[in-house]
Amino acid sequence: QVQLKETGPDLVQLTQTLSITCTVSGFSLTTYNVEWVRQPPGKGLEWMGAMWNGGGTDYNSAFKSRLSISRDTSKSQVFLKMNSLQTDDTAKYFCARRSRWEKYFDYWGQGVMVTVSS
Amino acid sequence: DTVLTQSPALAVSPGERVTISCRASKSVSTGMHWYQQKPGQQPKLLIYGASNLESGVPARFNGSGSGTDFTLTIDPVEADDTATYFCQQSWNDYTFGAGTKLELK
Repeated sequence: QVQLKETGPDLVQLTQTLSITCTVSGFSLTTYNVEWVRQPPGKGLEWMGAMWNGGGTDYNSAFKSRLSISRDTSKSQVFLKMNSLQTDDTAKYFCARRSRWEKYFDYWGQGVMVTVSS
Repeated sequence: DTVLTQSPALAVSPGERVTISCRASKSVSTGMHWYQQKPGQQPKLLIYGASNLESGVPARFNGSGSGTDFTLTIDPVEADDTATYFCQQSWNDYTFGAGTKLELK
């Protein structure tokens, strides 16, 4: 069955770099896009960027200067790295699979809660 | 950016019908999708392409609309439907509404 799981730190220091890994199973990264979405505590969802099945990437312009998404298809992993973290980057970070034919997210990981501490 | 506007909260009694609205700041055609999120959980896809029911989702959930105005209807509402409902557009990049928190009386 399709599964996605995010792993990463609980706590990141102010101005440091966040690294999160999304490990997927039940589908191939060369067939489906994987998207990153975050959710600050008690707030809504914000799309951050995507790893395309062909290996390209797409970013929300709000993050473009400090966000990097990459993958290792041999390990079925997608990586998010974001630098210069601020306190308003405190959020739960989700990876999600985009449907193959339309632009909605049909499976989501459970998310990882990251707190940026000063 | 395409801004999606949702009512912040609704309260209904079990067995009633509820309509949750989402208005887009510009046309998104039928590129509108709905998710349910319960506290501490990830979002769950309910409706895609404005009106298509995701596999495994009860037929009590129904989506409609096109252009700028969309609705998610739950009929009848059950206790387990207590959650926050988000709309998402995919016509112009991706944006989400702020969510509608559904509470049962």
